[in-house]
Amino acid sequence: NAGVTQTPKFRVLKTGQSMTLLCAQDMNHEYMYWYRQDPGMGLRLIHYSVGEGTTAKGEVPDGYNVSRLKKQNFLLGLESAAPSQTSVYFCASSQDRGSNQPQHFGDGTRLSIL
Amino acid sequence: SQQGEEDPQALSIQEGENATMNCSYKTSINNLQWYRQNSGRGLVHLILIRSNEREKHSGRLRVTLDTSKKSSSLLITASRAADTASYFCATAPGGGNKLTFGTGTQLKVEL
Repeated sequence: NAGVTQTPKFRVLKTGQSMTLLCAQDMNHEYMYWYRQDPGMGLRLIHYSVGEGTTAKGEVPDGYNVSRLKKQNFLLGLESAAPSQTSVYFCASSQDRGSNQPQHFGDGTRLSIL
Repeated sequence: SQQGEEDPQALSIQEGENATMNCSYKTSINNLQWYRQNSGRGLVHLILIRSNEREKHSGRLRVTLDTSKKSSSLLITASRAADTASYFCATAPGGGNKLTFGTGTQLKVEL
């Protein structure tokens, strides 16, 4: 049972570089989410999707873009990485909206921007 | 801004003792969830308690909810070293799509 898989697990970027984080889930969940976790801040929602082809902004969307072309995949892009985007990024999915159902998390991508 | 805030921020106990952590939130909710995060891993869902429930059990976990005080508590009985982790409460104000997580309680269970 793979659940939610995030790729890559670690990455170091230079300021200004771009990259895409991939999230894949095999539970046929409708809802998917991208969070970032910083020390002392808890998890903050970046973007989310309520179904294939949809995306919506969360609490901290600036500097990020997302796409949900396939139901099982949710991509998070950084167009021009900044040191402030150094963080641990988590993807999650749920069958129904996050307030009514448990969210299932991947193990995170640790991203450092130099 | 954080909807939920856990208390204490850190807790250290001996194996076999009970651990209690608390969560306070600001606005009305439909339900409240608790999650565990082991070091270097993603969050794992523990339990969901609905606003019309006052108490819920799952194995060694007991969760209470007091909507009048906008607070919840998570009790872990007979703790084990494997319970060492961070624990987060999460709510969705107004029952919307988005969960808001607190900053967590770091629990350390020592042998």
